[in-house]
Amino acid sequence: GAVVSQHPSRVICKSGTSVKIECRSLDFQATTMFWYRQFPKQSLMLMATSNEGSKATYEQGVEKDKFLINHASLTLSTLTVTSAHPEDSSFYICSARVGAGGETQYFGPGTRLLVL
Amino acid sequence: AQKITQTQPGMFVQEKEAVTLDCTYDTSDPSYGLFWYKQPSSGEMIFLIYQGSYDQQNATEGRYSLNFQKARKSANLVISASQLGDSAMYFCAMRGLYSGAGSYQLTFGKGTKLSVIP
Repeated sequence: GAVVSQHPSRVICKSGTSVKIECRSLDFQATTMFWYRQFPKQSLMLMATSNEGSKATYEQGVEKDKFLINHASLTLSTLTVTSAHPEDSSFYICSARVGAGGETQYFGPGTRLLVL
Repeated sequence: AQKITQTQPGMFVQEKEAVTLDCTYDTSDPSYGLFWYKQPSSGEMIFLIYQGSYDQQNATEGRYSLNFQKARKSANLVISASQLGDSAMYFCAMRGLYSGAGSYQLTFGKGTKLSVIP
């Protein structure tokens, strides 16, 4: 199946700093990428939809100025958590839709963020 | 709006036995897709199986099959011959099959934790 990578896999940072998470589709072009957030023992909650070359669409309640998303190419989307706080500690997962007409989303391995 | 309900927070199954994980959904979209994902303790989401609302036959992928009952709005996952490596969280998800804003977004259920007993 299609491969999606995320980097870093885990990060620990101090409160107030910014953290960038990369999501790459390794063997296909992803027109659309999605960013999810998952708290312990809970389901995935969609944060935003990222389309290459256009502004991301954020879900209600997600601060776009805090969670900056850039989808600069068909294989790379980045999520930057700005001025991170302990409540931003979570598991962040990206997914990519496989091309036009693709039904399946393939997920990256996730990034565990811990803000101290 | 779409809603996925997984009523089983946890399930146990004996190794080599079959197990059914329940999923019901609600949507106003005329066509939609249903997905099952597996999430082991490592956190990665692994795609298992897909069923389109207009597919005539139930989807099967190896040991996984989807028991799709459209009238009941249910899409249960059946895992045959359970293996120890099947122990994980399992998420049912859906999306509307239409173009435009909001398309391709997945709505997830709360998940079922499956534990396979040796």
